[in-house]
Amino acid sequence: EVQLVESGGGLVQPGGSLRLSCAASGFTLTGYWMYWVRQVPGKGLVWVSRINSDGSSTSYADSVKGRFTISRDNAKNTLYLQMNSLRPEDTALYYCAGPGGSWAHWGQGTLVTVSS
Amino acid sequence: QAVVTQEPSLTVSPGGTVTLTCGSSGGAVTSGHYAYWFQQKPGQAPRTLIFDTINRHFWIPGRFSGSLLGGKAALTLSGAQPEDEADYYCSLSYNGVYVVFGGGTKLTVL
Repeated sequence: EVQLVESGGGLVQPGGSLRLSCAASGFTLTGYWMYWVRQVPGKGLVWVSRINSDGSSTSYADSVKGRFTISRDNAKNTLYLQMNSLRPEDTALYYCAGPGGSWAHWGQGTLVTVSS
Repeated sequence: QAVVTQEPSLTVSPGGTVTLTCGSSGGAVTSGHYAYWFQQKPGQAPRTLIFDTINRHFWIPGRFSGSLLGGKAALTLSGAQPEDEADYYCSLSYNGVYVVFGGGTKLTVL
């Protein structure tokens, strides 16, 4: 069965850091672009970041640029999102999606709460 | 960054046809924006219906179709079913660098 499973969310204080993981099973991430999307419960979807197939090219939404870093480990079939200098407005459910241009699969999301 | 616009809400009768649209503040939407359409039901992760403007995943019912219409991306639902009641989001890609989602359309089948 094809699956994307996010992990690493939790409660963190403002200014803190978290690293999210997205483990793929049933297919290989190798060769495909991958994406992170977030959603405040009850609100709309917001694109966060994307990474190309070998990790050499990345892009970010303006709201997270300079604070978040997307990366991947193709050997582990896993996508990451390092989140630093977290703010209360980063509180959301974070989804990974892909592979590639089809966006055929989404994970179930991992909840990040930034609060003191 | 650009702003992507969608109808906040639409209603369709069971068996009826409805078209949702996705516009860009930067001008006409073209195939180069690689429009996507997603369906999300309460408590569930989004599901991708349409990618690259017109391509439908094989597991998506044929009653969903994507197109370009009047300078916007469009999602047409023909023969609406009660289970199609959901939030629908579009996204557009800009210069292959960043992606912007629309605010979503709440579709009621009534």
